[in-house]
Amino acid sequence: EVQLVESGGGLVQPGGSLRLSCAASGFTFNSYWMTWVRQAPGKGLEWVANINQDGSAKYYVDSVKGRFTISRDNAKNSLFLQMNSLRAEDTAVYYCGRSNAVDCWGQGTLVTVSS
Amino acid sequence: EIVLTQSPGTLSLSPGERVTLSCRASQSVRSSYLAWYQQKPGQAPRLLIHGASSRATGIPDRFSGSGSGTDFTLTISRLEPEDFAVYYCQQYGSAPNTFGQGTKLEIK
Repeated sequence: EVQLVESGGGLVQPGGSLRLSCAASGFTFNSYWMTWVRQAPGKGLEWVANINQDGSAKYYVDSVKGRFTISRDNAKNSLFLQMNSLRAEDTAVYYCGRSNAVDCWGQGTLVTVSS
Repeated sequence: EIVLTQSPGTLSLSPGERVTLSCRASQSVRSSYLAWYQQKPGQAPRLLIHGASSRATGIPDRFSGSGSGTDFTLTISRLEPEDFAVYYCQQYGSAPNTFGQGTKLEIK
């Protein structure tokens, strides 16, 4: 069974940092682009970042450039999102997803940025 | 950045009806890399259509997608009770990938 499980969310103060992880199983992880998507409470989906199979290509939405870093460890079938200089507007459920047309989603992890 | 505009914002329909949702892009979507998703409250989204018109695995054939360039549509031929949800389009042909703002399909 294809499965993605996110972890690492929580409450953080403005300006703080968090590292999200996504554990993949049930498929050949190193064959797929991977994606992070977020959803603020009561709002729509926002694409955040993606990374190619070997980690050599990474793209970001403008609002997180220079603050967030996407990475992967193919040996551990894991995807990461390092989030620095967090702002209140980064508060959202963060989903990891397989591929660019996301055909498999994790359950999401909630990040709350508040003092 | 490609901006996707979905219309209408909300639709009130009855089970059994046919519905067409629209997604318009601010510039041409490369190679029709356009996807549609369904999201129900408290759940992660589910991929319905990719490549503008290809149904994802396990998606019923009452769902169909069409379009190219800047204009795309998702059609549900006959609404089932479980189809009432929010629908999003996404382009993944150009970085940054982007989502539309969503169309909410509610029961009349």
